[in-house]
Amino acid sequence: KAGVTQTPRYLIKTRGQQVTLSCSPISGHRSVSWYQQTPGQGLQFLFEYFSETQRNKGNFPGRFSGRQFSNSRSEMNVSTLELGDSALYLCASSLGGTRTDTQYFGPGTRLTVL
Amino acid sequence: GENVEQHPSTLSVQEGDSAVIKCTYSDSASNYFPWYKQELGKRPQLIIDIRSNVGEKKDQRIAVTLNKTAKHFSLHITETQPEDSAVYFCAASTTGNQFYFGTGTSLTVIP
Repeated sequence: KAGVTQTPRYLIKTRGQQVTLSCSPISGHRSVSWYQQTPGQGLQFLFEYFSETQRNKGNFPGRFSGRQFSNSRSEMNVSTLELGDSALYLCASSLGGTRTDTQYFGPGTRLTVL
Repeated sequence: GENVEQHPSTLSVQEGDSAVIKCTYSDSASNYFPWYKQELGKRPQLIIDIRSNVGEKKDQRIAVTLNKTAKHFSLHITETQPEDSAVYFCAASTTGNQFYFGTGTSLTVIP
């Protein structure tokens, strides 16, 4: 099976702009989670989508939003970008049943905000 | 919510020695504990995981132990090799696929 893919791999934006990142899960996986990774902060959970519904949400401001499509692909949007949003954004997919199962990560999108 | 603490933040060992990384968690409802290895510039990869109904799990040179009473779990790597050098993350999750990660341990294996 093909792994989790993310596009684009690299982005450079300026403050105030918005950005949309895309994640395609492993075939058959219905859950997609998003994480922000910054040096020293580890991986911070943004949100999780399952069957087109946001099922879990981390402690990020409303500028961070997402959605999931019927084919389980997911997008994440960040509006009004700030310098502090510069990070590696990782998505991870899993089967998504009621039992917590293994998450498989994509390669990430490196976002730089100037 | 859950809080996962990971120690040490950096660890250097001689090739062939053992490495131990420890994590504590706060939510007694957490029941799934994966460990990920992230090499520089690459995605995190699952290396081993354990569920709360098991105390220890081993896969070749890697083992994980879980102490539910004390709310801590540890990663043990024996006979370390230079290719074990990476950042290791622990995580904890309750049912529902919400994961909380530790801040990572940068392991360096010195040849």
